[in-house]
Amino acid sequence: AQSVTQPDIHITVSEGASLELRCNYSYGATPYLFWYVQSPGQGLQLLLKYFSGDTLVQGIKGFEAEFKRSQSSFNLRKPSVHWSDAAEYFCAVGVAGGTSYGKLTFGQGTILTVHP
Amino acid sequence: NAGVMQNPRHLVRRRGQEARLRCSPMKGHSHVYWYRQLPEEGLKFMVYLQKENIIDESGMPKERFSAEFPKEGPSILRIQQVVRGDSAAYFCASSKKGTGGPGEQFFGPGTRLTVL
Repeated sequence: AQSVTQPDIHITVSEGASLELRCNYSYGATPYLFWYVQSPGQGLQLLLKYFSGDTLVQGIKGFEAEFKRSQSSFNLRKPSVHWSDAAEYFCAVGVAGGTSYGKLTFGQGTILTVHP
Repeated sequence: NAGVMQNPRHLVRRRGQEARLRCSPMKGHSHVYWYRQLPEEGLKFMVYLQKENIIDESGMPKERFSAEFPKEGPSILRIQQVVRGDSAAYFCASSKKGTGGPGEQFFGPGTRLTVL
């Protein structure tokens, strides 16, 4: 079965600083990888996804993520954080076949706090 | 161009009552997924449905929980005889295809269930 680990429960950065949120997955084949963002009391919004092809994926709001198969990682990055980026971020993995077909497995989430 | 709709947004029940959560997928989507988010945790997959079919219910508790997605109308997640441990946010997602792959999932705003 697939699994996702987000090692950092809480990250604090200053506005304008760069950001990297870590995500490691466990899955035997090529996974489908996602980053979602959740603001307090809200649903999840998709930031970006990786299915195949170029391992550097661009998303909305200036975010990007890089798939590294050798490290089983899909870290999320942003060069300059804005106060509005404060939220909780979830990494997720999906599979295209087998008994887990259709469902997403989420990491525990990383809460991002942005200081002015 | 409405997104995934869930109602009610907030639901309060007393122990032993029934909770009914509704989800209307995005237009053109025929696949629905339910996830539960307990406090301080990530989302956990519960069930995956297509119209009139349950595809994967591996994440559903064996008792008191049921889900349906009828030919007409919204998907319903039903919790009978609720207990305090059922208090959580329940999210519905929909996709065009039944996969975590190219058929990316779009999430609703969630229903926050509180059991007194």
